[in-house]
Amino acid sequence: NAGVTQTPKFRVLKTGQSMTLLCAQDMNHEYMYWYRQDPGMGLRLIHYSVGEGTTAKGEVPDGYNVSRLKKQNFLLGLESAAPSQTSVYFCASSPGTLLAKNIQYFGAGTRLSVL
Amino acid sequence: AQSVAQPEDQVNVAEGNPLTVKCTYSVSGNPYLFWYVQYPNRGLQFLLKYITGDNLVKGSYGFEAEFNKSQTSFHLKKPSALVSDSALYFCAVRANAGNNRKLIWGLGTSLAVNP
Repeated sequence: NAGVTQTPKFRVLKTGQSMTLLCAQDMNHEYMYWYRQDPGMGLRLIHYSVGEGTTAKGEVPDGYNVSRLKKQNFLLGLESAAPSQTSVYFCASSPGTLLAKNIQYFGAGTRLSVL
Repeated sequence: AQSVAQPEDQVNVAEGNPLTVKCTYSVSGNPYLFWYVQYPNRGLQFLLKYITGDNLVKGSYGFEAEFNKSQTSFHLKKPSALVSDSALYFCAVRANAGNNRKLIWGLGTSLAVNP
């Protein structure tokens, strides 16, 4: 079972460059999330989606955009990367059922450095 | 304000000894509580949850957690620690009231089990 797959695993960007992180899940989950993990800050929610074609802002959405054109994919875009966006990015998904939807299944992460 | 606290950044325990990783929370209404584990260079994995019912919840890998409403705590425990339990542990809570139903994450506790 693939579960949640994130690509790429590592990336180095220069300030001002753009990139897209791809998240794919094969569990037919309704909900998908993008987090960033920084030392001493724990997990912070960037954007999330409660279904195909929908997106919503999380705690730290500035500088990021997302799209969920297909149920299985959730894309995170950085239009103009900044050093403050150096982080490890995690995608997660969860079922849409009432009690299960907060059991989130995580990808292995994307380690991004912005120079 | 709703919050989750993991008061210890790091917990050290000898292999074979019992371990406890602490979590306290502050939310409105009855909480849904979760523990996740993160092994090095991996995404988070769900360990266990408390929704309702028995205050002692059993989860994966021999872990359990006790919900204490009066102390607003949800400490993670294991009777006999293994070196392979060394990882980063996150507590999370979801308020079961109001409009904000997203997970609130603790900052994580690093568990080191020494041989």
